[in-house]
Amino acid sequence: AQTVTQSQPEMSVQEAETVTLSCTYDTSESDYYLFWYKQPPSRQMILVIRQEAYKQQNATENRFSVNFQKAAKSFSLKISDSQLGDAAMYFCAFHTGTASKLTFGTGTRLQVTL
Amino acid sequence: NAGVTQTPKFQVLKTGQSMTLQCAQDMNHEYMSWYRQDPGMGLRLIHYSVGAGITDQGEVPNGYNVSRSTTEDFPLRLLSAAPSQTSVYFCASANSLYGSEAFFGQGTRLTVV
Repeated sequence: AQTVTQSQPEMSVQEAETVTLSCTYDTSESDYYLFWYKQPPSRQMILVIRQEAYKQQNATENRFSVNFQKAAKSFSLKISDSQLGDAAMYFCAFHTGTASKLTFGTGTRLQVTL
Repeated sequence: NAGVTQTPKFQVLKTGQSMTLQCAQDMNHEYMSWYRQDPGMGLRLIHYSVGAGITDQGEVPNGYNVSRSTTEDFPLRLLSAAPSQTSVYFCASANSLYGSEAFFGQGTRLTVV
């Protein structure tokens, strides 16, 4: 079975600081795609960043970057220069090539304080 | 560009009632899926479709039916609502390119009393 584990139910960061959200996963597949989705209070699921497992280079999108460790099956999200608008639930997810079947973690709620 | 549209946004049902959650996408995506989101459990796959006329079960299919008669629409039917089906439901779509991302609707909050 494929699983995603987010061990931090809640995290807090001060504005302008850096925070890292953890994610580990388990799959027997060698080719897969990893994602971080953001869910603000509006409930909308917003893609933050994606990583192809066959690429060794870590993905970055502006203030968001990942630390992808394939051997350890770890996929953490780093948010730099945190902003109040970053406060949300963050979900780690992956699929093995077919986007119709995503497997999600349980989420990490991020608070951003002044 | 509307993307993925779900209706209704909120619904209250009585135990035993039936209803259909609507999902439509205007991106000509082949793949469509339904997830439910429960506190502390993330999103779990209910049913999915890889094209018109093709559907399959996900992780938690019991109590739900789907059909896909057109590329655009993928309704989710609750045949006899139960309190355990109280949840937030998300519809998602994606193209069939390998490794594509999924696009989500705004969700439907369903309460069964």
